[in-house]
Amino acid sequence: GNSVTQMEGPVTLSEEAFLTINCTYTATGYPSLFWYVQYPGEGLQLLLKATKADDKGSNKGFEATYRKETTSFHLEKGSVQVSDSAVYFCALSTDSWGKLQFGAGTQVVVTP
Amino acid sequence: DAGVTQSPTHLIKTRGQQVTLRCSPKSGHDTVSWYQQALGQGPQFIFQYYEEEERQRGNFPDRFSGHQFPNYSSELNVNALLLGDSALYLCASSQDRGRADTQYFGPGTRLTVL
Repeated sequence: GNSVTQMEGPVTLSEEAFLTINCTYTATGYPSLFWYVQYPGEGLQLLLKATKADDKGSNKGFEATYRKETTSFHLEKGSVQVSDSAVYFCALSTDSWGKLQFGAGTQVVVTP
Repeated sequence: DAGVTQSPTHLIKTRGQQVTLRCSPKSGHDTVSWYQQALGQGPQFIFQYYEEEERQRGNFPDRFSGHQFPNYSSELNVNALLLGDSALYLCASSQDRGRADTQYFGPGTRLTVL
């Protein structure tokens, strides 16, 4: 079956540090890939997405590239801020109706 | 433009009771999906409604049921509540374009079963 594996957290960083969150997937067919972010006490917000191999999704300084050869979709940001503290979820969708399968989430804590 | 809204925000029930959660989709969206997010875990897909029918279902027992109304809003019902049903229940809406479209999530309903 399909699955998403994320690096475990928490990831603790200082402000302006470089952030990488690893995400790998197993799927039949050609999934669409997503990163969602969940701030404390809130629902999920779409951060970025990519729908085919070599696509790069980007938003708010975050980037992720769909790597079919390594089945990965790692999230990166060059300089994090305290406001980036949240839980980040990698997800995939393989059907035409958009059902999402999520990883377990990675908590990121950015300190001043 | 209002996003996805859910009610209530929080709910406390006891084992064996029944609960109904509500969701209004984002304007222009006709498809509603429900997810269960246990503490410290990623959301798990429960089911999806389109044209007032359950179109797709995840690995959840029949105690979980739903409904979609003509205005596209939706309800999630859970019968015979168990302690393990305690979770954040998330509603997501999207527009059916004949292909997968981005899902937009509501803030969730936090259900606690005592």
